[in-house]
Amino acid sequence: KNEVEQSPQNLTAQEGEFITINCSYSVGISALHWLQQHPGGGIVSLFMLSSGKKKHGRLIATINIQEKHSSLHITASHPRDSAVYICAVRSKDTDKLIFGTGTRLQVFP
Amino acid sequence: GAGVSQSPRYKVAKRGQDVALRCDPISGHVSLFWYQQALGQGPEFLTYFQNEAQLDKSGLPSDRFFAERPEGSVSTLKIQRTQQEDSAVYLCASSLGREYYEQYFGPGTRLTVT
Repeated sequence: KNEVEQSPQNLTAQEGEFITINCSYSVGISALHWLQQHPGGGIVSLFMLSSGKKKHGRLIATINIQEKHSSLHITASHPRDSAVYICAVRSKDTDKLIFGTGTRLQVFP
Repeated sequence: GAGVSQSPRYKVAKRGQDVALRCDPISGHVSLFWYQQALGQGPEFLTYFQNEAQLDKSGLPSDRFFAERPEGSVSTLKIQRTQQEDSAVYLCASSLGREYYEQYFGPGTRLTVT
């Protein structure tokens, strides 16, 4: 079993829809990151959080430390949101980032 | 301002060739990380530098992989005698420090070994 699991693996949406991507982890962490990766492009950090909730524009990230679960929400989705979204946790034991396999999102007009 | 840059963006190597991948981190960033991302997978940790010191190389898959950061800024990841299983995107990231700081990623180098 992977230490960081994301769901769904693939997601298609119509423009304007509300999107949720989930991340569950099994290790003790000091922080959780949500990252965005466009095809052929590098990775952009969206959020780093260790508790509660953060909001940036149409993006919202939440984390529940007790349940070892985080969600990334996109409100009013747009085709330019199409990308792979990756959840990564910083392990308290090793201090390394452990990445999920990503959720591929496609938003159609 | 300038972000993390990597070169080359794409590299095709014949099996058995040596390759060198370069990373220019954000100026002033103390920490530098290398990751390997196989197709359809998330990145996996290779090695970590704090300034010029390589503090963790536990993720390097074999002794054919070697990384250096001699002056604490630019880093080079070298792969000797490349094998097909080395084909992947190699990502570099830098941050102000290791803990509690965001990592800024470069665009990656896509290595294809034929």
